Amino acid sequence: AQKVTQAQTEISVVEKEDVTLDCVYETRDTTYYLFWYKQPPSGELVFLIRRNSFDEQNEISGRYSWNFQKSTSSFNFTITASQVVDSAVYFCALSEALTGGGNKLTFGTGTQLKVEL
Amino acid sequence: EAQVTQNPRYLITVTGKKLTVTCSQNMNHEYMSWYRQDPGLGLRQIYYSMNVEVTDKGDVPEGYKVSRKEKRNFPLILESPSPNQTSLYFCASSLRRFGETQYFGPGTRLLVL
Repeated sequence: AQKVTQAQTEISVVEKEDVTLDCVYETRDTTYYLFWYKQPPSGELVFLIRRNSFDEQNEISGRYSWNFQKSTSSFNFTITASQVVDSAVYFCALSEALTGGGNKLTFGTGTQLKVEL
Repeated sequence: EAQVTQNPRYLITVTGKKLTVTCSQNMNHEYMSWYRQDPGLGLRQIYYSMNVEVTDKGDVPEGYKVSRKEKRNFPLILESPSPNQTSLYFCASSLRRFGETQYFGPGTRLLVL
């Protein structure tokens, strides 16, 4: 069975600090996809990034960057110069094609990020 | 605008009173799912659907029903809600079976007294 572990339950930082959110996954599939979603206090889930298992290049989007390492089964997320608006719960997820024909995301338990002034 | 909509957004009900949470997507997606989110557990899949009239159980299907009579709609039915079904519910859809981004609805907060 697939598994996603986000060991950091809650992280507090001061604005402008850099912060890294850890994600470790387990899968027997050779082809898989990883995702990060953001859940702000309003509750909706906002898609941030999708990465497939064949692409190990790091991704940067503005203040956000992602480090994917197959050797350690990790897909970590870094926010540079954090801002109060980054305060949210962040979920890492792993995509699975189900034998019954559907699909599923296996989520980690999330990391609550609090950015304070 | 491409989106997944859910209604109601908030619902307080009592044990045993049947309720339906609607979900609709306008992206012509084949695949749809329902998830519930609980503290410390992340999101877990309740049911999923691959197309019209094709549905199957996810990881936590007990106490729920779904139907897929039209491609765009995927309602979640709680025939006899219980307090342990108090949760935040999300509907999601994706175009293809594997690797596609799942787009989520805004969520429905359910409290069962």
